[in-house]
Amino acid sequence: EVQLVESGGGLVQPGGSLRLSCAASGFTFSDHYMNWVRQAPGKGLEWIGLSRNKPNSYTTQYAASVRGRFTISRDESTNSLYLQMNSLKTEDTAVYFCSRQKGAGDMDVWGQGTPVTVSS
Amino acid sequence: DIQMTQSPSTLSASVGDRVTITCRASQSISSWLAWYQQKPGKAPKLLIYKASTLESGVPSRFSGSGSGTEFTLTISSLQPDDFATYYCQQYNDYPITFGQGTRLEIK
Repeated sequence: EVQLVESGGGLVQPGGSLRLSCAASGFTFSDHYMNWVRQAPGKGLEWIGLSRNKPNSYTTQYAASVRGRFTISRDESTNSLYLQMNSLKTEDTAVYFCSRQKGAGDMDVWGQGTPVTVSS
Repeated sequence: DIQMTQSPSTLSASVGDRVTITCRASQSISSWLAWYQQKPGKAPKLLIYKASTLESGVPSRFSGSGSGTEFTLTISSLQPDDFATYYCQQYNDYPITFGQGTRLEIK
C-alpha cells in the first residue's frame, strides 16, 4: 500500500526549531518529487516547498515565506522526507502535510498531516 | 507569483444538483491545473489533473475543463459524499499556488 506518515509536530516557542518527518512506503521513493504543504487553522492550502527526485539530484525549491528558515531533505536509506523548521513564527502554526508528486505538479498521495503550534 | 481565484467561495446545493466551480489564474498556466477535495480533518484528495484528466478511482460525475486562465470543476449529480471544500492548484510555475477554496454545503 502506498502510504505517507508524518510525525514530529508539536508545540514550540517563537524563535524555536522543529523537525518534521514523513515516512514513505509502497513506492520507489527516489523516483518522485516530494512536497510539503501546510494549512493554517481554518485557512486554505499553502505550498511551502519540494524535494526533486534522484535524477534531479534531490534539489529543492521553497516558497518565499519560508525560504532561509526551512530546509527540506531526504534519507534514501529510510525512505524519509524531512522538514527542518528554524526561527519559527506564530504564523507558521498549521497542519503540515507531505505529499507525493505524480506528474508535473499534481499531488496524488498525501499523509495525514502533523500539527505544529508556535506559541509562547 | 501566480494568483488563483476561485468562485464562489461558498456554494449551497442539494443532492442531485449539477454544480460548477470556477478557478481563474492571474496569468496563463496552459493546462497545468489540478483540483482537490478536502473534508474536515483530512488530507486533500486529488480529483483532476492536467485540467481535465480524471484521477484513477474518482467517480465520473467529476469533470474538469479549461486552459490558459479559466478553468471549471463540474459535479454532474451531487452525492452526499461530495459535500466538502474544493481547491484548485496551478503547477505551471513556482511557487505552486492554490486557490482559496470553495466550500460546498448542503442546501
